[in-house]
Amino acid sequence: GEDVEQSLFLSVREGDSSVINCTYTDSSSTYLYWYKQEPGAGLQLLTYIFSNMDMKQDQRLTVLLNKKDKHLSLRIADTQTGDSAIYFCAETDLNTGTASKLTFGTGTRLQVTL
Amino acid sequence: DTGVSQNPRHKITKRGQNVTFRCDPISEHNRLYWYRQTLGQGPEFLTYFQNEAQLEKSRLLSDRFSAERPKGSFSTLEIQRTEQGDSAMYLCASSLIQREWVNEQFFGPGTRLTVL
Repeated sequence: GEDVEQSLFLSVREGDSSVINCTYTDSSSTYLYWYKQEPGAGLQLLTYIFSNMDMKQDQRLTVLLNKKDKHLSLRIADTQTGDSAIYFCAETDLNTGTASKLTFGTGTRLQVTL
Repeated sequence: DTGVSQNPRHKITKRGQNVTFRCDPISEHNRLYWYRQTLGQGPEFLTYFQNEAQLEKSRLLSDRFSAERPKGSFSTLEIQRTEQGDSAMYLCASSLIQREWVNEQFFGPGTRLTVL
């Protein structure tokens, strides 16, 4: 079955880079997503990457994928206090046919300090 | 773009009562999903609809849970005979599936259920 794991907590200083890591167990054909959840708010889709890509960059966000190790990371450059939130990685598995459900990790709480 | 909306935002009920939640997806989206999130965990998939058809249900969805999307627009999730273990945040998401393998799901703010 699918399993997605993340470290629980990360603390960084404002202006530094944050790197949030995720490992997944499922197969070769999959999309991987990063979501952000702020207190009292729903999940906000940040970015996604297909498993045949190594890297994707979108403004301050860089996603790196090591397909061999099934390791995904999200780098946030110049981290700001507004980036404080819980970050979830999630995957869909094309081998299930319809790429319907998302399987989420437990989330990483990012704390940005001054 | 009004986004995905959910009502109510909070629901407190006594054990054994029935509750119903509503989700209004983004208007042109053909897929609608329900997830459940407990404290300190990521969301867990419950069920999803493509238009009005319910295509998949998780084993988490016991027979006390029922979901409908009668006209392919809004959806309701009903929990009968609530139990304390049903206390959670219930999240709704929607997506527009044009290519089968890309599935950008947009989430609503959730309904927080507390069963006393």
